Amino acid sequence: GQGVEQPAKLMSVEGTFARVNCTYSTSGFNGLSWYQQREGQAPVFLSYVVLDGLKDSGHFSTFLSRSNGYSYLLLTELQIKDSASYLCAVRGNYNQGKLIFGQGTKLSIKP
Amino acid sequence: GGIITQTPKFLIGQEGQKLTLKCQQNFNHDTMYWYRQDSGKGLRLIYYSITENDLQKGDLSEGYDASREKKSSFSLTVTSAQKNEMAVFLCASSDWGGSSQNTLYFGAGTRLSVL
Repeated sequence: GQGVEQPAKLMSVEGTFARVNCTYSTSGFNGLSWYQQREGQAPVFLSYVVLDGLKDSGHFSTFLSRSNGYSYLLLTELQIKDSASYLCAVRGNYNQGKLIFGQGTKLSIKP
Repeated sequence: GGIITQTPKFLIGQEGQKLTLKCQQNFNHDTMYWYRQDSGKGLRLIYYSITENDLQKGDLSEGYDASREKKSSFSLTVTSAQKNEMAVFLCASSDWGGSSQNTLYFGAGTRLSVL
């Protein structure tokens, strides 16, 4: 069946980096996006990728490998305010209105 | 810029009660969505609507009705609230077509508790 998987939790240290992984299995592929959700707030769009490779957006970078059904979100020079849940979402070919979300990875950053 | 407004922010209901959640957007987006978020779980799609008067079922449509009265508004009805149910309902909107479909703008959510 179709699904998007993410680790539930991730910890890192202020000033370093964190890599949030996402694996997916869908009928076809029409793009993958990442959202940030702070505690008690709405998800906010961060990045969208549809081609293989690394997309550098400064503080956030996104990698995609379609053949492996794998993506990661890389956060560099971490700040305490980056502590949040990061959601991966994939759109397949079938029923294109449907965006399938992973459970989200809660990133905790220590000083 | 635009905004998505969900009302109410908090909703407390009784078991078996019919409850309605409302969502308005001023992005002029074609597509609107209702997602349910339970603690520790991903967002699950309940209903979405590609355009005014259109309605498409998501994975979690059983127990819910929805209505896209006009382009800017999309409402969700819990047909019979379940006892001890607690969840956050998120409304979102996007343009239709191409990469725009992957960029969803979310409202702040309606937090439902059923006594």
